[in-house]
Amino acid sequence: AQSVTQPDIHITVSEGASLELRCNYSYGATPYLFWYVQSPGQGLQLLLKYFSGDTLVQGIKGFEAEFKRSQSSFNLRKPSVHWSDAAEYFCAVGAGGTSYGKLTFGQGTILTVHP
Amino acid sequence: DAGVIQSPRHEVTEMGQEVTLRCKPISGHDYLFWYRQTMMRGLELLIYFNNNVPIDDSGMPEDRFSAKMPNASFSTLKIQPSEPRDSAVYFCASSFGIGESGIQYFGAGTRLSVL
Repeated sequence: AQSVTQPDIHITVSEGASLELRCNYSYGATPYLFWYVQSPGQGLQLLLKYFSGDTLVQGIKGFEAEFKRSQSSFNLRKPSVHWSDAAEYFCAVGAGGTSYGKLTFGQGTILTVHP
Repeated sequence: DAGVIQSPRHEVTEMGQEVTLRCKPISGHDYLFWYRQTMMRGLELLIYFNNNVPIDDSGMPEDRFSAKMPNASFSTLKIQPSEPRDSAVYFCASSFGIGESGIQYFGAGTRLSVL
C-alpha cells in the first residue's frame, strides 16, 4: 500500500523568505503526486500535480515541486513567501492497481508566516 | 460552477442521534469521494462513487456509517447512531475521471461535533 510522510508538522518562515516543504512517498510503481493547500475553515485546493514527464512542475500561487524518484520525494517550494500563504499543506499520492484512483494524504504541514 | 457544496457547515448533535451530511458535486463530474479529517488520523478516504455506484467503501469505519448517491447531483453520508469519536471534519470531493486524469475538487467540509 502507498504511504506519504511529511516530516515537518509545523514550519515558520518570515515573509519574503524562501520555503521548502518536504514530502516522501512510498509506492511500488510510478506514482502520481499532488500538493493541496487548506486554509482555516476551508476545503483543500489543488496547488499542483505530477503525473509524468518533466519532474519540475509549476503550480498556482507561485509554487513549484520537484519529483525525485531516487529519493522518493516530491518537495514543494516557493522562492518568496507571502503572508497569505499561511495555511496547512498536504502532499498526496495516487494509487494504481486495485486501488486505482484512491489518494493517500500525508499528515500535513502547518505553515506560519511572520511579518 | 459553484464548486462542491456541502451542508451543513457545522453540526452539533448528541450521542445516539442520527446525523446526515449532504454533498452536491460539481456538475458533470462522475466521481464522488467522502473523506474524514481528524487530528489523530489525518485525512482518510471513507468511500467513493463512480456514476452514482459505490466503488470502494473499505474506508467506512463501521456499520454505523452509510453513504448513498441517489443521482449525479447529490450524495449523503449518514451516521446512525452517532458517537463522540465520530467528531471530525467530513469532506466531500468530486472529479471528472480518476487517477492521472482526475483532479479532485473539495468542498468546504462539515464540522461534526458529537457530544
